[in-house]
Amino acid sequence: AQSVSQHNHHVILSEAASLELGCNYSYGGTVNLFWYVQYPGQHLQLLLKYFSGDPLVKGIKGFEAEFIKSKFSFNLRKPSVQWSDTAEYFCAVNARNSGGYQKVTFGIGTKLQVIP
Amino acid sequence: NAGVTQTPKFRVLKTGQSMTLLCAQDMNHEYMYWYRQDPGMGLRLIHYSVGEGTTAKGEVPDGYNVSRLKKQNFLLGLESAAPSQTSVYFCASSSPPLNAELFFGEGSRLTVL
Repeated sequence: AQSVSQHNHHVILSEAASLELGCNYSYGGTVNLFWYVQYPGQHLQLLLKYFSGDPLVKGIKGFEAEFIKSKFSFNLRKPSVQWSDTAEYFCAVNARNSGGYQKVTFGIGTKLQVIP
Repeated sequence: NAGVTQTPKFRVLKTGQSMTLLCAQDMNHEYMYWYRQDPGMGLRLIHYSVGEGTTAKGEVPDGYNVSRLKKQNFLLGLESAAPSQTSVYFCASSSPPLNAELFFGEGSRLTVL
């Protein structure tokens, strides 16, 4: 069964600090990887995704993530965070289950608090 | 653009009562999902559907039932609500390619007393 682990559950940073959120997944086959963001009181929105090609993917608002297949990792990074980045971040994997259907599994999320 | 619409957005139930959450999408997506979000537990998949007339169990299906009679609608039912079902419920939809993103509704906050 596929699973997703996010290592940091709560991160507090000052503005302009660099951010790296860890994500590891467990699945033996082909996967597609996503980072979603949930701003306070809102629903989840796509930040970026990886499905093939360049393992370094860029998303909205200056975020990027690197897929390292050998480490089953898809860490999210941002060189300089802003107060408006305060949100909860979810890593997700989309893979085909035993029935041939796609199934999306989320990590438990990382709450990021950026202090002005 | 409506996207994914959930109703109701808030509901308070007493233990043992039943209710149905409705999810409607206007993007002609094949797949639809119901998740629950609880503090410290992230999003957990309750049930999902890969097409009209089909449903499948996710990680935490007990106490819930679903139906997908029309492609655009995915209903989540609680037959006998329990306090453990107090949560925020999110519906999402997507297209078949694995690289397709999920589109989420605004969420439905359910409290069971």
